[in-house]
Amino acid sequence: DTGVSQDPRHKITKRGQNVTFRCDPISEHNRLYWYRQTLGQGPEFLTYFQNEAQLEKSRLLSDRFSAERPKGSFSTLEIQRTEQGDSAMYLCASSFGVWGGSSYNSPLHFGNGTRLTVT
Amino acid sequence: QQQVKQSPQSLIVQKGGISIINCAYENTAFDYFPWYQQFPGKGPALLIAIRPDVSEKKEGRFTISFNKSAKQFSLHIMDSQPGDSATYFCAASMTRTALIFGKGTTLSVSS
Repeated sequence: DTGVSQDPRHKITKRGQNVTFRCDPISEHNRLYWYRQTLGQGPEFLTYFQNEAQLEKSRLLSDRFSAERPKGSFSTLEIQRTEQGDSAMYLCASSFGVWGGSSYNSPLHFGNGTRLTVT
Repeated sequence: QQQVKQSPQSLIVQKGGISIINCAYENTAFDYFPWYQQFPGKGPALLIAIRPDVSEKKEGRFTISFNKSAKQFSLHIMDSQPGDSATYFCAASMTRTALIFGKGTTLSVSS
């Protein structure tokens, strides 16, 4: 168990460019979450996968954001036409849970995030 | 609408003292209340969690107190140490939904 791995750790891009981040969850975890965290704020939920199915998306996730989890393993988060307001830490988390089960028994494990700076 | 309100925003405690961070929630359907600890440059890490059918949970120096009628819960750090200096987040969720986090409390423990 090597924990949740995110790549890259840092990304600097120019406004208007597209960026893609990768998350490798803990191997036996079937749930994967993306959160965004700006300075001085708590993590804000973006989207959630159970295996390969994207089950929930936040209103924060504009049309420029897309997430995938092919084969229910790693996940990618793509931001198209980046804007300065997209600058944030993008956190991935994973857990193992059964449908309808309590979150108490399936705690989230976070990676160390990808820090995006849009200039 | 902020569903989980955390206070204070920052806290300075002497080494050996008690740190207390409070959270209030609005949605009575929440059934899971964790606290996360985050160090600079790292992701949040689960510290301790409680369910609403329990009024208190203790793990080492960390205790969650839960008041269901007041819709509040708090984190108590006993014998605070400089190594406890970090940002703490309360959170809440209900079955099948994602965690909603508070805005965080930056704790500084002075030696």
